[in-house]
Amino acid sequence: EVQLVESGGGLVKPGGSLRLSCAASGFTFSSYSMHWVRQAPGTGLEWVSSIGSIPTYIYYGDSVRGRFTISRDNAKNSLYLQMNSLRAEDTAVYYCARESGGLYLFDYWGQGTLVTVSS
Amino acid sequence: VAMTQSPLSLPVTLGQSASISCRSSQSLVYSDGNTYLNWFHQRPGQSPRRLIYKVSNRDSGVPDRFSGSGSGTDFTLEISRVEAEDVGVYYCMQGTHWPPTFGQGTKVEIK
Repeated sequence: EVQLVESGGGLVKPGGSLRLSCAASGFTFSSYSMHWVRQAPGTGLEWVSSIGSIPTYIYYGDSVRGRFTISRDNAKNSLYLQMNSLRAEDTAVYYCARESGGLYLFDYWGQGTLVTVSS
Repeated sequence: VAMTQSPLSLPVTLGQSASISCRSSQSLVYSDGNTYLNWFHQRPGQSPRRLIYKVSNRDSGVPDRFSGSGSGTDFTLEISRVEAEDVGVYYCMQGTHWPPTFGQGTKVEIK
């Protein structure tokens, strides 16, 4: 059974940093591109970042580029999101999602981890 | 690419059908001939679950009450015989153009 479990969320002050993790199981993690998608409270979904099965292919949304860094450790079946210079507008539930079968075909999502940026 | 859903709120009667529209600001036909338009359902407090991928393909375990259709820039999700478990927010999402983008969501509730 495919499982994605996020962790690392919490309360952080503006300008602070946080590192999110996503533990994957039930599939060959190294074979799949992975993504982070976030959802601000009471609002819709926003794609944040992606990393290919080969970490050469890394992309960021305009709102986080230069502040967030995505990475993966295939030996540990884990995906990460290092978030620096956090702003109030980064407050959201962050989901990791697996891409399978084509362009941004997100077939499995984790349960999410809440990041709150507030003084 | 902007994705515009309508309606944003949809009260439905149990057993009746429901239809959600999604329009994109550009054609979603990719160079490989596929159209990367997907539908997700999100229940309160849960993560999104994909229902339909590439316009009309149902995911495993999704009841055949759910169907997707459309082409180019206009797409529709139909729910026939709405059940109580269908409440929540439905999102369309395009993956044809970078960055992938989602519609605003349509909240389905029972009358």
